[in-house]
Amino acid sequence: QKEVEQNSGPLSVPEGAIASLNCTYSDRGSQSFFWYRQYSGKSPELIMSIYSNGDKEDGRFTAQLNKASQYVSLLIRDSQPSDSATYLCAGLMEYGNKLVFGAGTILRVKS
Amino acid sequence: SQTIHQWPATLVQPVGSPLSLECTVEGTSNPNLYWYRQAAGRGLQLLFYSVGIGQISSEVPQNLSASRPQDRQFILSSKKLLLSDSGFYLCAWTSWRGLTGELFFGEGSRLTVL
Repeated sequence: QKEVEQNSGPLSVPEGAIASLNCTYSDRGSQSFFWYRQYSGKSPELIMSIYSNGDKEDGRFTAQLNKASQYVSLLIRDSQPSDSATYLCAGLMEYGNKLVFGAGTILRVKS
Repeated sequence: SQTIHQWPATLVQPVGSPLSLECTVEGTSNPNLYWYRQAAGRGLQLLFYSVGIGQISSEVPQNLSASRPQDRQFILSSKKLLLSDSGFYLCAWTSWRGLTGELFFGEGSRLTVL
């Protein structure tokens, strides 16, 4: 079983809609999770970090963490064409100083 | 502020040739350093990480090696490249505090092995 799993997509949403990206993880001891955005040919850019159960909001982005269900999500409100990218979910594994990434979900926002 | 530099940005190498990618971090001390590889259309694969000078942890058996000769310098090497070594190599750093912290990436080095 992969440690961090994401649906590869692509997820297509119209401009102005809410994009919902999901991620599950296998290590129940994991405490910290991160969402990165990666444009084609570029390095990943950190969008959100979340360490406790519940929601964390930053501008148009909301990260949600449910440790009981081992589930992390990212909501993007008022999606813009510039949000079109690959979104990577990552979890800090308890047994080491390393961040494990999912394969990423491709998001396409259509104008 | 902290910055991370990675070079070269792009390189094309023949099969069997050596490789050296270098990464340096500025504005912080004793960072954790990482090398990731991303094959075309794939996710990020952790190759090596280092929590201190001379301390290297290898995640995947391969013909690559890593070294950390100085606190803020991390080098990825190979003696003989394989076609399967092609990919986008990313250096990253973090200063974890307990289980919190953030990982920041360099600009990446795109390697094509022919």
